[in-house]
Amino acid sequence: NAGVTQTPKFQVLKTGQSMTLQCAQDMNHNSMYWYRQDPGMGLRLIYYSASEGTTDKGEVPNGYNVSRLNKREFSLRLESAAPSQTSVYFCASSEDGGVGQPQHFGDGTRLSIL
Amino acid sequence: AQSVTQLDSHVSVSEGTPVLLRCNYSSSYSPSLFWYVQHPNKGLQLLLKYTSAATLVKGINGFEAEFKKSETSFHLTKPSAHMSDAAEYFCVVSDPGFQKLVFGTGTRLLVSP
Repeated sequence: NAGVTQTPKFQVLKTGQSMTLQCAQDMNHNSMYWYRQDPGMGLRLIYYSASEGTTDKGEVPNGYNVSRLNKREFSLRLESAAPSQTSVYFCASSEDGGVGQPQHFGDGTRLSIL
Repeated sequence: AQSVTQLDSHVSVSEGTPVLLRCNYSSSYSPSLFWYVQHPNKGLQLLLKYTSAATLVKGINGFEAEFKKSETSFHLTKPSAHMSDAAEYFCVVSDPGFQKLVFGTGTRLLVSP
């Protein structure tokens, strides 16, 4: 019962490098989300996908792009990594975007940019 | 805009004593509220949720929370702490319409023997 799977778990990049974080869910959920977690700031929404084929900006989208590849997969891309993007990234999914729907989280990708 | 304030960044308790983690929310609408727990190097796990049904909500692992509209609070409690409860806890409010979650800054619960 995998739930939400994120790869890789850890990554170190140099400034200016690009990278794609992968996320897949096996719960047949329609909605998927990308968050970043920084110390003392809780989680902040980067992008979300309400349903297959749609994506929308969240609170902190600058420097990121996303692709909803299919219903299961939602990837996050850093085109030119910057030290300010050092963070822990979480992918989440929910059945749909309805009020009160809980979100299910992966274990995170710890990304360091030197 | 919706927001939550977690009043304590750290809470320390002894094993077997009660736990109280405080959360106040701000919402123009009747909110949906959640508590999530995060153990080290893990993702977030849902503890409980409030969605305008009973004001006292029971969750997993013996936790519960009470929605108090007059006080705009949603405090998390547990009668007796266990060592395994040591983790970070997040109070979360959902945006009306499409459910975008707004997270508090977290409370780290420390449990000593």
